Amino acid sequence: EDQVTQSPEALRLQEGESSSLNCSYTVSGLRGLFWYRQDPGKGPEFLFTLYSAGEEKEKERLKATLTKKESFLHITAPKPEDSATYLCAVRSNDYKLSFGAGTTVTVRA
Amino acid sequence: DTAVSQTPKYLVTQMGNDKSIKCEQNLGHDTMYWYKQDSKKFLKIMFSYNNKELIINETVPNRFSPKSPDKAHLNLHINSLELGDSAVYFCASSQEARETQYFGPGTRLLVL
Repeated sequence: EDQVTQSPEALRLQEGESSSLNCSYTVSGLRGLFWYRQDPGKGPEFLFTLYSAGEEKEKERLKATLTKKESFLHITAPKPEDSATYLCAVRSNDYKLSFGAGTTVTVRA
Repeated sequence: DTAVSQTPKYLVTQMGNDKSIKCEQNLGHDTMYWYKQDSKKFLKIMFSYNNKELIINETVPNRFSPKSPDKAHLNLHINSLELGDSAVYFCASSQEARETQYFGPGTRLLVL
């Protein structure tokens, strides 16, 4: 069974303090690794898809990278509006998405 | 314009009742999904339909029955609600089963 583990569970940052979130995975045939952002009381919002080791994607202050066993979401100089839960998911050969429990990021001004 | 919408947003009901949640997408996608997010925030796939055909049916109590009247709609009917059914239910859609999934705002179900 596909497994996704995210760490840390929670991350408190000062505005401007860069950090990284980790997503380690075990999957039978990776068909994509996805990052979503979820705000309280809302549905997950798509951020990135990564397909192969070495791939990187960027969007504003966020940068996602992928290796054969894990993915990192780097937050550079975060702002309070970056506060959210960040979810990682993997898709395997059967096209199901398996999600991790998420990392809740709080950025203080 | 809302891409994936769900109704109702909140649902509070008694144990033993039957309830339905509706989902509509205006993205022109042909695959739709139902997920359950429990109190620990894990999102778990329940069902998926592709062009009105059931393609994913996880180990879910048969009190849960999805119905897709057309490829833009996927409803979830729950019979004999139990306390453990309390959760947030999310609908999602994608262009094809292998494409990126886009989520609705969720339906918060509380069973008393």
